[in-house]
Amino acid sequence: EADIYQTPRYLVIGTGKKITLECSQTMGHDKMYWYQQDPGMELHLIHYSYGVNSTEKGDLSSESTVSRIRTEHFPLTLESARPSHTSQYLCASSEGTGYQPQHFGDGTRLSIL
Amino acid sequence: AQKITQTQPGMFVQEKEAVTLDCTYDTSDPSYGLFWYKQPSSGEMIFLIYQGSYDQQNATEGRYSLNFQKARKSANLVISASQLGDSAMYFCAMREPQNRDDKIIFGKGTRLHILP
Repeated sequence: EADIYQTPRYLVIGTGKKITLECSQTMGHDKMYWYQQDPGMELHLIHYSYGVNSTEKGDLSSESTVSRIRTEHFPLTLESARPSHTSQYLCASSEGTGYQPQHFGDGTRLSIL
Repeated sequence: AQKITQTQPGMFVQEKEAVTLDCTYDTSDPSYGLFWYKQPSSGEMIFLIYQGSYDQQNATEGRYSLNFQKARKSANLVISASQLGDSAMYFCAMREPQNRDDKIIFGKGTRLHILP
């Protein structure tokens, strides 16, 4: 059973606020990912990391930023939330090598008013 | 060019019937992995089944099986004896470990509706 946790599960917040979405995994995975997904739509990779102090931008441009100071922790931050940031954000992790699948957290549903 | 193609945006199937969800992929890498995920309306992504490019037999996991046709670059998901709880979005995905980026690439998904 995969152990990857996202908090909060739901967040409704006003425009202009700073937001941090938390993601933690206990599997010791080197690789971690953030996806943005609108309801019923495809997943868009916005950030990924191959290990501590490594972060890369994904395929979809995002105003968010990420950090990877510890292997198990990969938080995503929005400095100033806007209504266009309303979406679901999914965090995932995978083994560093091989053909293993990504394991996902339950997601954060973010609504910016 | 899309690397993962799911041609069925939506499907309606009667309960207890078998379902086939289509997935074709594009890669020049001889080594890759193929996956299927289920996403219910609650939003979480649930890993269902995996097929390696060198696997000789089709993968099976309970009611899920993967119809892997390597020459046709197809990896269809088959759900036997469908249940109401199978109603969800289904995503096909591919991982190419030899690719420098080693990202997992997802298709656009198929929404499956199981009818009582």
